[in-house]
Amino acid sequence: DSGVTQTPKHLITATGQRVTLRCSPRSGDLSVYWYQQSLDQGLQFLIQYYNGEERAKGNILERFSAQQFPDLHSELNLSSLELGDSALYFCASSVGNRRNTIYFGEGSWLTVV
Amino acid sequence: ELKVEQNPLFLSMQEGKNYTIYCNYSTTSDRLYWYRQDPGKSLESLFVLLSNGAVKQEGRLMASLDTKARLSTLHITAAVHDLSATYFCAVDVSSSGGGADGLTFGKGTHLIIQP
Repeated sequence: DSGVTQTPKHLITATGQRVTLRCSPRSGDLSVYWYQQSLDQGLQFLIQYYNGEERAKGNILERFSAQQFPDLHSELNLSSLELGDSALYFCASSVGNRRNTIYFGEGSWLTVV
Repeated sequence: ELKVEQNPLFLSMQEGKNYTIYCNYSTTSDRLYWYRQDPGKSLESLFVLLSNGAVKQEGRLMASLDTKARLSTLHITAAVHDLSATYFCAVDVSSSGGGADGLTFGKGTHLIIQP
Protein backbone atom coordinates (compact mmCIF):
# COMPACT_ATOMS: atom_id res chain seq x y z
CA ASP A 1 0.00 0.00 0.00
CA SER A 2 1.59 3.23 -1.21
CA GLY A 3 -0.55 5.47 1.00
CA VAL A 4 -2.09 7.25 -2.00
CA THR A 5 -5.86 6.73 -2.01
CA GLN A 6 -8.01 7.01 -5.11
CA THR A 7 -11.77 6.80 -5.51
CA PRO A 8 -13.71 5.40 -7.20
CA LYS A 9 -11.81 2.26 -8.16
CA HIS A 10 -14.11 1.50 -11.07
CA LEU A 11 -16.49 3.72 -12.99
CA ILE A 12 -18.68 3.07 -16.02
CA THR A 13 -20.35 6.02 -17.67
CA ALA A 14 -21.86 7.04 -20.98
CA THR A 15 -20.39 9.23 -23.69
CA GLY A 16 -20.99 12.91 -23.12
CA GLN A 17 -21.10 12.58 -19.36
CA ARG A 18 -18.87 14.15 -16.71
CA VAL A 19 -17.04 12.35 -13.90
CA THR A 20 -14.80 13.35 -11.02
CA LEU A 21 -11.92 11.24 -9.78
CA ARG A 22 -10.62 11.87 -6.29
CA CYS A 23 -7.16 11.44 -4.82
CA SER A 24 -5.76 11.71 -1.29
CA PRO A 25 -1.98 11.93 -1.30
CA ARG A 26 0.32 10.31 1.24
CA SER A 27 0.49 12.11 4.52
CA GLY A 28 2.99 14.96 4.25
CA ASP A 29 3.21 14.90 0.45
CA LEU A 30 2.67 18.29 -1.18
CA SER A 31 2.84 17.28 -4.83
CA VAL A 32 0.04 15.47 -6.60
CA TYR A 33 0.28 14.15 -10.16
CA TRP A 34 -2.31 12.70 -12.48
CA TYR A 35 -1.49 10.12 -15.14
CA GLN A 36 -3.52 8.31 -17.74
CA GLN A 37 -2.67 4.77 -18.78
CA SER A 38 -4.16 3.23 -21.90
CA LEU A 39 -3.10 0.44 -24.22
CA ASP A 40 -2.46 2.69 -27.19
CA GLN A 41 -0.95 5.74 -25.44
CA GLY A 42 0.86 4.07 -22.57
CA LEU A 43 1.44 6.10 -19.41
CA GLN A 44 0.94 9.80 -19.99
CA PHE A 45 1.45 12.64 -17.57
CA LEU A 46 -1.58 14.89 -17.34
CA ILE A 47 -0.98 17.52 -14.68
CA GLN A 48 0.82 18.26 -11.43
CA TYR A 49 -0.11 20.36 -8.43
CA TYR A 50 2.19 21.45 -5.67
CA ASN A 51 0.71 22.76 -2.44
CA GLY A 52 -2.46 23.90 -4.15
CA GLU A 53 -0.88 25.48 -7.21
CA GLU A 54 -0.63 24.06 -10.70
CA ARG A 55 3.04 23.21 -11.27
CA ALA A 56 3.22 21.44 -14.61
CA LYS A 57 0.93 20.46 -17.40
CA GLY A 58 1.31 17.51 -19.72
CA ASN A 59 -0.96 16.02 -22.32
CA ILE A 60 -4.18 17.03 -20.64
CA LEU A 61 -7.17 17.65 -22.86
CA GLU A 62 -9.16 20.86 -22.56
CA ARG A 63 -12.17 18.75 -21.54
CA PHE A 64 -10.22 17.68 -18.46
CA SER A 65 -9.40 19.81 -15.47
CA ALA A 66 -7.97 19.30 -12.03
CA GLN A 67 -7.47 21.08 -8.76
CA GLN A 68 -5.77 20.59 -5.44
CA PHE A 69 -7.59 21.69 -2.33
CA PRO A 70 -6.19 23.25 0.87
CA ASP A 71 -6.19 19.85 2.57
CA LEU A 72 -4.02 18.69 -0.37
CA HIS A 73 -6.47 16.21 -1.81
CA SER A 74 -6.99 16.52 -5.53
CA GLU A 75 -9.75 15.98 -8.03
CA LEU A 76 -9.57 15.28 -11.74
CA ASN A 77 -12.67 16.29 -13.66
CA LEU A 78 -13.34 14.68 -17.02
CA SER A 79 -16.17 16.10 -19.11
CA SER A 80 -17.85 15.46 -22.46
CA LEU A 81 -16.49 11.96 -22.21
CA GLU A 82 -15.61 10.02 -25.34
CA LEU A 83 -15.00 6.33 -25.85
CA GLY A 84 -11.29 7.03 -26.18
CA ASP A 85 -11.17 8.40 -22.65
CA SER A 86 -11.58 4.89 -21.29
CA ALA A 87 -8.39 4.26 -19.37
CA LEU A 88 -6.80 3.72 -16.00
CA TYR A 89 -6.22 7.04 -14.27
CA PHE A 90 -3.50 7.16 -11.67
CA CYS A 91 -2.86 9.71 -9.02
CA ALA A 92 0.62 9.91 -7.57
CA SER A 93 2.20 11.97 -4.83
CA SER A 94 5.58 12.99 -3.55
CA VAL A 95 7.02 15.20 -0.85
CA GLY A 96 7.80 17.76 -3.51
CA ASN A 97 11.54 17.56 -3.40
CA ARG A 98 12.87 16.70 -6.85
CA ARG A 99 14.91 13.92 -5.39
CA ASN A 100 12.09 11.97 -3.79
CA THR A 101 10.22 8.88 -4.79
CA ILE A 102 6.87 9.39 -6.49
CA TYR A 103 4.24 7.01 -5.14
CA PHE A 104 1.29 5.86 -7.18
CA GLY A 105 -2.24 5.05 -6.08
CA GLU A 106 -4.19 1.98 -7.16
CA GLY A 107 -5.85 3.87 -9.99
CA SER A 108 -9.39 4.54 -11.12
CA TRP A 109 -10.65 2.41 -13.99
CA LEU A 110 -12.88 4.49 -16.25
CA THR A 111 -14.98 2.83 -18.91
CA VAL A 112 -16.95 5.05 -21.27
CA VAL A 113 -19.73 3.25 -23.14
CA GLU B 1 10.36 16.61 -26.91
CA LEU B 2 11.73 14.05 -24.50
CA LYS B 3 11.68 10.49 -25.76
CA VAL B 4 12.19 7.49 -23.52
CA GLU B 5 12.82 4.18 -25.22
CA GLN B 6 12.93 0.83 -23.52
CA ASN B 7 14.11 -2.40 -25.01
CA PRO B 8 13.17 -5.04 -25.27
CA LEU B 9 9.42 -4.43 -25.03
CA PHE B 10 8.73 -8.12 -24.53
CA LEU B 11 10.98 -10.64 -22.89
CA SER B 12 10.39 -14.26 -22.09
CA MET B 13 13.09 -15.93 -20.11
CA GLN B 14 13.70 -18.98 -17.98
CA GLU B 15 14.14 -19.05 -14.26
CA GLY B 16 17.75 -18.86 -13.19
CA LYS B 17 18.89 -16.79 -16.16
CA ASN B 18 20.26 -13.26 -16.16
CA TYR B 19 19.04 -10.45 -18.36
CA THR B 20 19.16 -6.69 -18.79
CA ILE B 21 16.49 -4.18 -19.73
CA TYR B 22 17.72 -0.96 -21.34
CA CYS B 23 16.28 2.52 -21.08
CA ASN B 24 17.52 5.28 -23.37
CA TYR B 25 16.35 8.86 -23.18
CA SER B 26 16.85 11.82 -25.45
CA THR B 27 17.37 14.81 -23.15
CA THR B 28 19.85 15.48 -20.39
CA SER B 29 18.54 14.39 -17.02
CA ASP B 30 19.96 13.20 -13.75
CA ARG B 31 16.79 11.69 -12.38
CA LEU B 32 15.55 8.33 -13.53
CA TYR B 33 12.96 6.06 -11.96
CA TRP B 34 12.17 2.37 -12.34
CA TYR B 35 8.72 1.01 -11.60
CA ARG B 36 7.12 -2.41 -11.63
CA GLN B 37 3.50 -2.99 -12.58
CA ASP B 38 1.54 -6.22 -12.22
CA PRO B 39 -1.47 -6.64 -14.54
CA GLY B 40 -4.27 -4.25 -13.60
CA LYS B 41 -2.36 -2.99 -10.59
CA SER B 42 -0.58 0.14 -9.48
CA LEU B 43 3.01 1.10 -10.18
CA GLU B 44 5.43 0.04 -7.49
CA SER B 45 8.55 2.13 -7.13
CA LEU B 46 11.72 0.07 -7.47
CA PHE B 47 14.59 2.53 -7.77
CA VAL B 48 15.25 6.24 -7.93
CA LEU B 49 18.59 7.07 -9.58
CA LEU B 50 19.74 10.62 -8.98
CA SER B 51 23.26 10.99 -10.29
CA ASN B 52 25.64 9.81 -12.95
CA GLY B 53 27.07 6.43 -12.05
CA ALA B 54 24.35 5.69 -9.51
CA VAL B 55 23.86 2.00 -8.88
CA LYS B 56 21.16 0.55 -6.67
CA GLN B 57 20.35 -3.06 -5.86
CA GLU B 58 17.39 -4.74 -4.27
CA GLY B 59 17.30 -8.51 -4.21
CA ARG B 60 17.74 -9.86 -7.74
CA LEU B 61 17.33 -6.45 -9.36
CA MET B 62 20.07 -3.91 -9.94
CA ALA B 63 19.68 -0.55 -11.67
CA SER B 64 22.32 1.83 -12.93
CA LEU B 65 22.42 5.24 -14.56
CA ASP B 66 24.86 6.71 -17.06
CA THR B 67 23.78 10.30 -17.65
CA LYS B 68 26.45 10.94 -20.25
CA ALA B 69 25.19 8.07 -22.40
CA ARG B 70 21.58 8.88 -21.39
CA LEU B 71 21.16 5.24 -20.52
CA SER B 72 19.84 3.29 -17.58
CA THR B 73 19.83 -0.46 -17.17
CA LEU B 74 17.82 -2.81 -15.03
CA HIS B 75 19.65 -6.08 -14.53
CA ILE B 76 17.91 -9.22 -13.38
CA THR B 77 20.04 -11.88 -11.76
CA ALA B 78 18.94 -15.53 -11.51
CA ALA B 79 15.36 -14.68 -12.42
CA VAL B 80 12.46 -16.21 -10.54
CA HIS B 81 8.82 -16.48 -11.60
CA ASP B 82 7.71 -13.82 -9.07
CA LEU B 83 9.61 -11.21 -11.05
CA SER B 84 7.20 -11.58 -13.97
CA ALA B 85 5.67 -8.13 -14.48
CA THR B 86 5.93 -5.04 -16.66
CA TYR B 87 8.86 -2.80 -15.86
CA PHE B 88 8.85 0.90 -16.68
CA CYS B 89 11.59 3.44 -16.65
CA ALA B 90 10.66 7.10 -16.34
CA VAL B 91 12.70 10.25 -16.74
CA ASP B 92 12.26 13.62 -15.08
CA VAL B 93 13.74 16.58 -16.87
CA SER B 94 12.18 19.42 -14.92
CA SER B 95 14.38 22.35 -14.20
CA SER B 96 12.04 24.07 -11.78
CA GLY B 97 12.74 23.92 -8.12
CA GLY B 98 10.50 22.66 -5.38
CA GLY B 99 9.24 19.51 -6.98
CA ALA B 100 9.50 17.14 -9.84
CA ASP B 101 7.49 17.84 -12.92
CA GLY B 102 5.75 15.06 -14.75
CA LEU B 103 7.69 11.95 -15.47
CA THR B 104 7.97 10.74 -19.05
CA PHE B 105 7.60 6.98 -19.15
CA GLY B 106 8.92 4.40 -21.53
CA LYS B 107 6.49 1.95 -23.09
CA GLY B 108 7.40 -0.71 -20.56
CA THR B 109 9.08 -4.10 -20.80
CA HIS B 110 6.67 -6.99 -20.41
CA LEU B 111 8.70 -9.69 -18.68
CA ILE B 112 7.60 -13.30 -18.45
CA ILE B 113 9.75 -15.69 -16.46
CA GLN B 114 8.99 -19.31 -17.08
CA PRO B 115 9.82 -22.16 -14.71
